[in-house]
Amino acid sequence: GAVVSQHPSRVICKSGTSVKIECRSLDFQATTMFWYRQFPKQSLMLMATSNEGSKATYEQGVEKDKFLINHASLTLSTLTVTSAHPEDSSFYICSATPRWGSYNEQFFGPGTRLTVL
Amino acid sequence: TQLLEQSPQFLSIQEGENLTVYCNSSSVFSSLQWYRQEPGEGPVLLVTVVTGGEVKKLKRLTFQFGDARKDSSLHITAAQPGDTGLYLCAGVRGEKLTFGTGTRLTIIP
Repeated sequence: GAVVSQHPSRVICKSGTSVKIECRSLDFQATTMFWYRQFPKQSLMLMATSNEGSKATYEQGVEKDKFLINHASLTLSTLTVTSAHPEDSSFYICSATPRWGSYNEQFFGPGTRLTVL
Repeated sequence: TQLLEQSPQFLSIQEGENLTVYCNSSSVFSSLQWYRQEPGEGPVLLVTVVTGGEVKKLKRLTFQFGDARKDSSLHITAAQPGDTGLYLCAGVRGEKLTFGTGTRLTIIP
């Protein structure tokens, strides 16, 4: 159990376009979902925390108007990178906290590789 | 910013050798987690240590949480090629994780 999926796994887009990434908890309802970004050879950096039905909380330095997060249900959160530029190219990873687990238990998705040309 | 520094950053050793990875912070965390991440995949949780001084063993892996809950170590005995990967510590505070800088481990057959 506790499987998290992401779609797409890879995406290549042109500079200036928007890209949507989906994060789904497949076999559980998630209290909270998190979005991370990981640049090559680096660690994961938390971008934002989202709870179903409420606005996401963004970490310092993350532009909320550029990285739009919609947490439509207890099993789905989406991250939209608006007007993407080459510097947004990164590995985006989501995680989800089950309603039945301890509050600090996160299950991670497989990640989405975004390349902006 | 709460930083967790891991050392070494890179480690390449022969199969069968032992190794230790360190995770250090100036901040106290309620618990600390260790993950392993394969290329192109999300991190997978290995262990959570909660109590200062706690030691947990997972087969050939031994995890220790510092007495002050600011640091941790991961010791691998008789490393195998399957242990190759990126090892990440993560400090837990509330619902958030703060990841360490990472240790890229390569085990040479």
